[in-house]
Amino acid sequence: EIVLTQSPGTLSLSPGERATLSCRASQSVINNYLAWYQQNPGQAPRLLIYGASRRATGIPDRFSGSESGTDFTLTISRLEPEDFAVYYCQQYGSSPSFGGGTKVEIK
Amino acid sequence: QVQLVQSGAEVKRPGASVMISCKASGYTFTTYAMHWVRQAPGQSLEWVGWVHPANGATKYSRNVQGRVTITRDTSATTSYMELSSLRLEDTAVYYCARLHLVPGGMDVWGQGTTVTVSS
Repeated sequence: EIVLTQSPGTLSLSPGERATLSCRASQSVINNYLAWYQQNPGQAPRLLIYGASRRATGIPDRFSGSESGTDFTLTISRLEPEDFAVYYCQQYGSSPSFGGGTKVEIK
Repeated sequence: QVQLVQSGAEVKRPGASVMISCKASGYTFTTYAMHWVRQAPGQSLEWVGWVHPANGATKYSRNVQGRVTITRDTSATTSYMELSSLRLEDTAVYYCARLHLVPGGMDVWGQGTTVTVSS
């Protein structure tokens, strides 16, 4: 089972700032089957990034994903008010798993 | 439009069973695996299992293996998740979500079903 560790747990930033969220996998993620999701309170998660770096349909280009070995990063270039939410990484191999989440809150 | 619509909230006693449905529409049901994910109050997301509607193949998380059964009815384009021997810690919102390895990721989610286990 692949364990995903997200950091930091909470990120306090202001609108317009850059957010950098990390996700470390305990072992190699096959075919870069790594996704990022955004979740707002009381709502289902929303797919942002798949394949480590590909934006899902309709996702603004201020969201980007990258990978370096077993380290994955989600970057939000300039935070908009609607971006303050919880973000999860997920590996979607045959037995998917999620990270513990990073909350991006308004400073 | 593509959507997944789940059945309503459930309240159960410990030791009981619960079955949740997920009705798919707007796409070819057999081309996407259907996954089930749960989220306990204030916690992260936890993968529960999946079924592939094309052939009925399943895989389950070790955390619930032996207590969970995920099925599908292709004529009704519906997936079902049954969880038995319910425990207090099974209290969560349960989501269904479709996934195709290409392009990837769970791109459509149900609205969630709250299951409360309480004595």
